[in-house]
Amino acid sequence: NAGVTQTPKFQVLKTGQSMTLQCAQDMNHNSMYWYRQDPGMGLRLIYYSASEGTTDKGEVPNGYNVSRLNKREFSLRLESAAPSQTSVYFCASSEGLSANYGYTFGSGTRLTVV
Amino acid sequence: DAKTTQPNSMESNEEEPVHLPCNHSTISGTDYIHWYRQLPSQGPEYVIHGLTSNVNNRMASLAIAEDRKSSTLILHRATLRDAAVYYCILRDSSNSGYALNFGKGTSLLVTP
Repeated sequence: NAGVTQTPKFQVLKTGQSMTLQCAQDMNHNSMYWYRQDPGMGLRLIYYSASEGTTDKGEVPNGYNVSRLNKREFSLRLESAAPSQTSVYFCASSEGLSANYGYTFGSGTRLTVV
Repeated sequence: DAKTTQPNSMESNEEEPVHLPCNHSTISGTDYIHWYRQLPSQGPEYVIHGLTSNVNNRMASLAIAEDRKSSTLILHRATLRDAAVYYCILRDSSNSGYALNFGKGTSLLVTP
Protein backbone atom coordinates (compact mmCIF):
# COMPACT_ATOMS: atom_id res chain seq x y z
CA ASN A 1 0.00 0.00 0.00
CA ALA A 2 2.18 2.85 -1.31
CA GLY A 3 -0.27 5.76 -0.78
CA VAL A 4 1.22 8.85 -2.47
CA THR A 5 4.52 8.42 -4.30
CA GLN A 6 6.66 11.38 -5.35
CA THR A 7 9.68 11.37 -7.62
CA PRO A 8 12.40 12.44 -7.48
CA LYS A 9 13.17 12.75 -3.77
CA PHE A 10 16.00 15.23 -4.31
CA GLN A 11 16.90 17.52 -7.19
CA VAL A 12 19.36 20.32 -7.86
CA LEU A 13 18.63 22.65 -10.76
CA LYS A 14 20.41 25.58 -12.26
CA THR A 15 18.51 28.84 -12.66
CA GLY A 16 16.51 28.74 -15.87
CA GLN A 17 16.34 24.95 -16.15
CA SER A 18 13.01 23.18 -16.30
CA MET A 19 11.82 20.03 -14.63
CA THR A 20 8.70 18.07 -13.78
CA LEU A 21 7.89 16.67 -10.36
CA GLN A 22 5.87 13.48 -10.54
CA CYS A 23 3.16 12.35 -8.15
CA ALA A 24 1.01 9.22 -8.18
CA GLN A 25 -1.56 7.86 -5.73
CA ASP A 26 -3.03 4.39 -5.52
CA MET A 27 -6.02 5.08 -3.26
CA ASN A 28 -8.51 5.91 -6.02
CA HIS A 29 -8.75 9.46 -4.67
CA ASN A 30 -10.49 12.09 -6.76
CA SER A 31 -8.62 15.20 -5.59
CA MET A 32 -4.90 15.93 -5.67
CA TYR A 33 -2.78 18.86 -4.52
CA TRP A 34 0.69 20.36 -4.73
CA TYR A 35 2.12 22.25 -1.74
CA ARG A 36 5.47 23.83 -1.03
CA GLN A 37 7.07 24.18 2.40
CA ASP A 38 9.76 26.72 3.13
CA PRO A 39 11.86 26.86 6.32
CA GLY A 40 9.94 28.36 9.21
CA MET A 41 6.76 28.58 7.17
CA GLY A 42 3.71 26.45 6.83
CA LEU A 43 2.66 24.66 3.71
CA ARG A 44 1.33 26.79 0.89
CA LEU A 45 -0.97 25.45 -1.81
CA ILE A 46 0.38 25.82 -5.35
CA TYR A 47 -2.25 24.07 -7.46
CA TYR A 48 -4.96 21.53 -6.94
CA SER A 49 -7.11 19.21 -9.01
CA ALA A 50 -10.61 18.59 -7.72
CA SER A 51 -11.10 15.65 -10.06
CA GLU A 52 -9.63 14.12 -13.20
CA GLY A 53 -9.64 16.67 -15.99
CA THR A 54 -9.71 19.79 -13.78
CA THR A 55 -6.98 21.93 -12.27
CA ASP A 56 -7.11 25.21 -10.36
CA LYS A 57 -4.66 27.70 -8.90
CA GLY A 58 -3.91 27.80 -5.22
CA GLU A 59 -2.21 30.50 -3.17
CA VAL A 60 1.18 30.60 -4.92
CA PRO A 61 0.81 29.37 -8.55
CA ASN A 62 3.23 31.76 -10.29
CA GLY A 63 6.11 29.99 -12.00
CA TYR A 64 4.39 26.59 -11.99
CA ASN A 65 2.16 24.53 -14.24
CA VAL A 66 0.35 21.29 -13.52
CA SER A 67 -1.11 18.38 -15.42
CA ARG A 68 -3.67 15.88 -14.14
CA LEU A 69 -2.59 13.08 -16.43
CA ASN A 70 -5.23 10.65 -15.19
CA LYS A 71 -6.96 9.87 -11.91
CA ARG A 72 -3.74 8.55 -10.38
CA GLU A 73 -1.15 11.07 -11.53
CA PHE A 74 -0.69 14.79 -10.96
CA SER A 75 2.54 16.43 -12.12
CA LEU A 76 4.05 19.82 -11.30
CA ARG A 77 6.27 21.58 -13.83
CA LEU A 78 8.76 24.36 -13.31
CA GLU A 79 9.34 25.92 -16.73
CA SER A 80 12.24 28.19 -15.78
CA ALA A 81 13.48 27.51 -12.27
CA ALA A 82 14.41 30.40 -10.00
CA PRO A 83 16.25 30.37 -6.65
CA SER A 84 13.00 31.47 -4.98
CA GLN A 85 11.58 28.07 -5.91
CA THR A 86 14.04 26.28 -3.67
CA SER A 87 11.73 24.44 -1.33
CA VAL A 88 10.32 21.09 -0.29
CA TYR A 89 7.38 20.11 -2.47
CA PHE A 90 4.62 17.85 -1.22
CA CYS A 91 1.94 16.16 -3.23
CA ALA A 92 -1.26 15.11 -1.47
CA SER A 93 -4.54 13.45 -2.32
CA SER A 94 -8.00 13.12 -0.78
CA GLU A 95 -11.29 11.45 -1.65
CA GLY A 96 -12.68 14.85 -2.58
CA LEU A 97 -12.57 18.54 -1.73
CA SER A 98 -15.02 18.19 1.15
CA ALA A 99 -13.73 19.35 4.53
CA ASN A 100 -14.84 15.97 5.89
CA TYR A 101 -11.94 14.22 4.14
CA GLY A 102 -8.37 13.94 5.33
CA TYR A 103 -5.35 14.31 3.10
CA THR A 104 -2.66 11.75 2.41
CA PHE A 105 0.73 13.29 1.72
CA GLY A 106 3.77 12.03 -0.10
CA SER A 107 7.23 12.12 1.43
CA GLY A 108 8.29 15.19 -0.53
CA THR A 109 10.75 16.37 -3.16
CA ARG A 110 13.61 18.54 -1.91
CA LEU A 111 14.45 20.99 -4.69
CA THR A 112 17.42 23.33 -4.71
CA VAL A 113 17.80 25.93 -7.45
CA VAL A 114 21.28 27.45 -7.72
CA ASP B 1 -10.70 31.05 7.63
CA ALA B 2 -10.89 30.97 11.41
CA LYS B 3 -7.51 30.79 13.15
CA THR B 4 -6.13 28.34 15.66
CA THR B 5 -3.75 28.89 18.57
CA GLN B 6 -1.43 26.18 19.83
CA PRO B 7 1.47 26.17 22.28
CA ASN B 8 4.83 26.32 20.54
CA SER B 9 6.16 23.24 22.26
CA MET B 10 5.30 20.52 24.74
CA GLU B 11 7.22 17.73 26.38
CA SER B 12 6.10 14.29 27.47
CA ASN B 13 7.58 11.15 28.91
CA GLU B 14 7.43 7.98 26.91
CA GLU B 15 4.43 5.72 27.60
CA GLU B 16 2.49 8.54 29.25
CA PRO B 17 -0.64 10.20 27.80
CA VAL B 18 -0.24 13.51 25.98
CA HIS B 19 -2.90 16.18 25.70
CA LEU B 20 -2.24 18.71 22.93
CA PRO B 21 -4.53 21.75 23.18
CA CYS B 22 -5.85 23.96 20.42
CA ASN B 23 -7.90 27.14 20.76
CA HIS B 24 -10.19 28.24 17.95
CA SER B 25 -12.47 30.82 19.49
CA THR B 26 -13.70 32.16 16.11
CA ILE B 27 -14.69 28.75 14.75
CA SER B 28 -17.82 28.72 12.63
CA GLY B 29 -20.54 26.13 12.72
CA THR B 30 -19.36 24.61 9.45
CA ASP B 31 -15.66 24.26 10.35
CA TYR B 32 -14.21 20.80 10.78
CA ILE B 33 -11.30 20.44 13.19
CA HIS B 34 -8.41 18.52 11.65
CA TRP B 35 -5.12 17.38 13.18
CA TYR B 36 -2.00 16.51 11.25
CA ARG B 37 1.52 15.82 12.35
CA GLN B 38 4.86 16.08 10.62
CA LEU B 39 7.84 14.01 11.65
CA PRO B 40 11.30 15.37 10.84
CA SER B 41 12.09 15.25 7.12
CA GLN B 42 8.75 13.66 6.27
CA GLY B 43 5.49 14.75 4.75
CA PRO B 44 2.54 15.69 6.95
CA GLU B 45 0.45 12.79 8.22
CA TYR B 46 -3.29 12.91 8.85
CA VAL B 47 -4.15 12.09 12.46
CA ILE B 48 -7.84 12.70 13.07
CA HIS B 49 -10.71 15.11 12.45
CA GLY B 50 -14.14 15.91 13.81
CA LEU B 51 -17.01 18.38 13.71
CA THR B 52 -18.89 18.33 17.00
CA SER B 53 -18.55 14.97 18.71
CA ASN B 54 -15.43 13.42 20.20
CA VAL B 55 -13.67 11.07 17.82
CA ASN B 56 -11.40 8.08 18.29
CA ASN B 57 -9.18 6.21 15.87
CA ARG B 58 -6.18 3.92 16.09
CA MET B 59 -3.77 6.84 16.35
CA ALA B 60 -5.44 9.23 18.77
CA SER B 61 -8.58 10.72 20.26
CA LEU B 62 -10.04 14.15 19.61
CA ALA B 63 -11.95 15.85 22.40
CA ILE B 64 -14.03 18.82 21.27
CA ALA B 65 -15.33 21.32 23.79
CA GLU B 66 -19.09 21.72 23.98
CA ASP B 67 -18.88 25.30 22.63
CA ARG B 68 -16.36 24.11 19.99
CA LYS B 69 -13.99 26.95 20.83
CA SER B 70 -11.24 24.56 21.78
CA SER B 71 -10.19 20.99 21.22
CA THR B 72 -7.59 18.56 22.52
CA LEU B 73 -5.70 15.87 20.68
CA ILE B 74 -4.99 12.96 23.00
CA LEU B 75 -2.21 10.48 22.41
CA HIS B 76 -2.98 7.73 24.87
CA ARG B 77 0.53 6.42 25.27
CA ALA B 78 3.34 8.47 23.77
CA THR B 79 6.19 6.72 22.04
CA LEU B 80 9.45 8.15 20.74
CA ARG B 81 7.98 7.88 17.26
CA ASP B 82 5.30 10.41 18.24
CA ALA B 83 7.88 13.21 18.45
CA ALA B 84 6.69 15.57 15.73
CA VAL B 85 5.08 18.92 15.03
CA TYR B 86 1.32 18.68 15.52
CA TYR B 87 -0.96 20.99 13.58
CA CYS B 88 -4.53 21.87 14.46
CA ILE B 89 -6.35 23.10 11.33
CA LEU B 90 -9.88 24.28 10.66
CA ARG B 91 -11.49 23.39 7.37
CA ASP B 92 -14.69 25.12 6.30
CA SER B 93 -17.25 22.75 4.87
CA SER B 94 -19.42 25.56 3.52
CA ASN B 95 -16.99 26.18 0.69
CA SER B 96 -14.07 24.39 -0.82
CA GLY B 97 -11.79 24.57 2.22
CA TYR B 98 -9.15 22.66 0.37
CA ALA B 99 -6.08 24.76 1.26
CA LEU B 100 -4.82 23.46 4.59
CA ASN B 101 -3.50 26.32 6.74
CA PHE B 102 -0.82 24.58 8.77
CA GLY B 103 0.36 27.47 10.90
CA LYS B 104 3.30 26.84 13.26
CA GLY B 105 1.89 23.92 15.26
CA THR B 106 3.11 22.39 18.52
CA SER B 107 6.48 20.69 18.59
CA LEU B 108 6.16 17.61 20.80
CA LEU B 109 9.26 16.23 22.45
CA VAL B 110 9.04 12.72 23.87
CA THR B 111 11.71 11.67 26.32
CA PRO B 112 12.56 8.09 27.31
